[in-house]
Amino acid sequence: SQKIEQNSEALNIQEGKTATLTCNYTNYSPAYLQWYRQDPGRGPVFLLLIRENEKEKRKERLKVTFDTTLKQSLFHITASQPADSATYLCAPLMEYGNKLVFGAGTILRVKS
Amino acid sequence: EPEVTQTPSHQVTQMGQEVILRCVPISNHLYFYWYRQILGQKVEFLVSFYNNEISEKSEIFDDQFSVERPDGSNFTLKIRSTKLEDSAMYFCASSEGASLGGDEQFFGPGTRLTVL
Repeated sequence: SQKIEQNSEALNIQEGKTATLTCNYTNYSPAYLQWYRQDPGRGPVFLLLIRENEKEKRKERLKVTFDTTLKQSLFHITASQPADSATYLCAPLMEYGNKLVFGAGTILRVKS
Repeated sequence: EPEVTQTPSHQVTQMGQEVILRCVPISNHLYFYWYRQILGQKVEFLVSFYNNEISEKSEIFDDQFSVERPDGSNFTLKIRSTKLEDSAMYFCASSEGASLGGDEQFFGPGTRLTVL
């Protein structure tokens, strides 16, 4: 069955450092991979989308990579700030699918 | 900036009662969704809706659930006979529908459903 795995433990980093979050998937070949941020008690908020033919995508301090051979996406936040503390969710999607199947998420804590 | 709204923010009900959760998607969006998140667990897909019919549903979305777009702006989730295990945060979302998997989804703030 299709499986999505994200760092199971919380990631604690110091302000100013780069946070790197991992999303691994098995048993399917997504055409897209979306990343969302979720704050406690709130709905997910879209951050970035990367297509299978894109190796890397950037938006301000965020960078996403997509390695279809490794079946992995990495999500980087550079110059991290305490306001970046949240749970980050990845969701691989098929070409004609729009059902978001999220991983369990990685909790990021940025300390000042 | 346009946003998805949901009402109520918190609903408390007795087991066996019917509840209706309401959502107003972003006005020019074509696809609508319901997701749920049980406390401490991951966000789970329930159903997607397009052109006035269900386009996909999960195993969770059984006969006790139904969705409807009663007018041009509202999108509702009805749970017919609530169970204790239906207690969760329910999120509505919408997307433009231009490229399906390539569309970002906009989520509402959620309705916390508590079944006693």
